[in-house]
Amino acid sequence: DGGITQSPKYLFRKEGQNVTLSCEQNLNHDAMYWYRQDPGQGLRLIYYSQIVNDFQKGDIAEGYSVSREKKESFPLTVTSAQKNPTAFYLCASSPPGTGISHGYTFGSGTRLTVV
Amino acid sequence: LAKTTQPISMDSYEGQEVNITCSHNNIATNDYITWYQQFPSQGPRFIIQGYKTKVTNEVASLFIPADRKSSTLSLPRVSLSDTAVYYCLVGEGYGGSQGNLIFGKGTKLSVKP
Repeated sequence: DGGITQSPKYLFRKEGQNVTLSCEQNLNHDAMYWYRQDPGQGLRLIYYSQIVNDFQKGDIAEGYSVSREKKESFPLTVTSAQKNPTAFYLCASSPPGTGISHGYTFGSGTRLTVV
Repeated sequence: LAKTTQPISMDSYEGQEVNITCSHNNIATNDYITWYQQFPSQGPRFIIQGYKTKVTNEVASLFIPADRKSSTLSLPRVSLSDTAVYYCLVGEGYGGSQGNLIFGKGTKLSVKP
């Protein structure tokens, strides 16, 4: 079945460490997104990519970095510059021309905790 | 994308009908109204989308008045498994420009036995 796979499901990071969250999709979608969710809050957009080798900052990109070398993969690196990285991270993808309709598919998320 | 306002939380009992209203006073002519559902520790999933009047699918109904400045998601005969956060989004629908979903805090629905 097609879908989005995020790994790991849980991740613990020490202060000052960089960590990378994986997001892989086999839906042949062009666009991919990373969102951050804090307890009791909505989703906030970190980065998005509409095509391979191109990506744009979202609302809260500081302290994060991404790459899009392959259509299927959109890894997110949480750098030591991100002062409060503990959160639930969601990856999503969509085909072109989806607008805000049902074309978006979300992964099951990675819960990152700083220890 | 137009800003939306919806209640922070709602409580209901099993078997009742639940109506969640969303305000979107600045909705544009090309905008559609879409609702997503999110269970704890999962990603949101699409429920329903509409442009005007009424839309119904196997999960919910969406009522949109003529001025389109608000919309109401109706969940018939809710069960415990409908406990989730429900998000109202407004933006171009299918075929429109590639939009980035903007989620507010949503409405946390708690269904009790």
